[in-house]
Amino acid sequence: NAGVTQTPKFRVLKTGQSMTLLCAQDMNHEYMYWYRQDPGMGLRLIHYSVGEGTTAKGEVPDGYNVSRLKKQNFLLGLESAAPSQTSVYFCASSSFREYTGELFFGEGSRLTVL
Amino acid sequence: GQNIDQPTEMTATEGAIVQINCTYQTSGFNGLFWYQQHAGEAPTFLSYNVLDGLEEKGRFSSFLSRSKGYSYLLLKELQMKDSASYLCVHMDSNYQLIWGAGTKLIIKP
Repeated sequence: NAGVTQTPKFRVLKTGQSMTLLCAQDMNHEYMYWYRQDPGMGLRLIHYSVGEGTTAKGEVPDGYNVSRLKKQNFLLGLESAAPSQTSVYFCASSSFREYTGELFFGEGSRLTVL
Repeated sequence: GQNIDQPTEMTATEGAIVQINCTYQTSGFNGLFWYQQHAGEAPTFLSYNVLDGLEEKGRFSSFLSRSKGYSYLLLKELQMKDSASYLCVHMDSNYQLIWGAGTKLIIKP
């Protein structure tokens, strides 16, 4: 049981570079999310998806783009990385809207932007 | 989180009991959740309360008072492995999750 898998787990970028984080889940969940976690703050939602081919903005979407071409995959892109995007990124998935409080998380991707 | 208040850090002794409190804004409610997060790892689901009262699950219990916008997580018979951050999460009327910054629990022998 892989659950939710994120790649890469660590990455260092220079300001202005681009990259994509990949999230894959094998639980057939409809809902997928990208969060960032910064010291002293709660998890903040970047973007989310309620199904294949759909995406929506969360609390802090600026500077990020996402795509959900396949139900099991949710990609997070940084087009031009900035130091403020240094963070730990978590992907998560869940099944039904009314129970979307129970999220299953990936191990996290630690991104440093120099 | 912008409307979640929980202590930043707590210390307790192995074998003891600890209560971690959480308050949230009461405008709109669809559930209150607790997650555990060990250092360097992902959060994992602990409990879900939608009605007032106490939900018990082994050594962990979670309490909710919707009228007071208050919840607590009670951990009994503390073990060293319980050293972690505990995240209080409020689901608002739009089913959006609002995450607290977490309470770092330090267990001492």
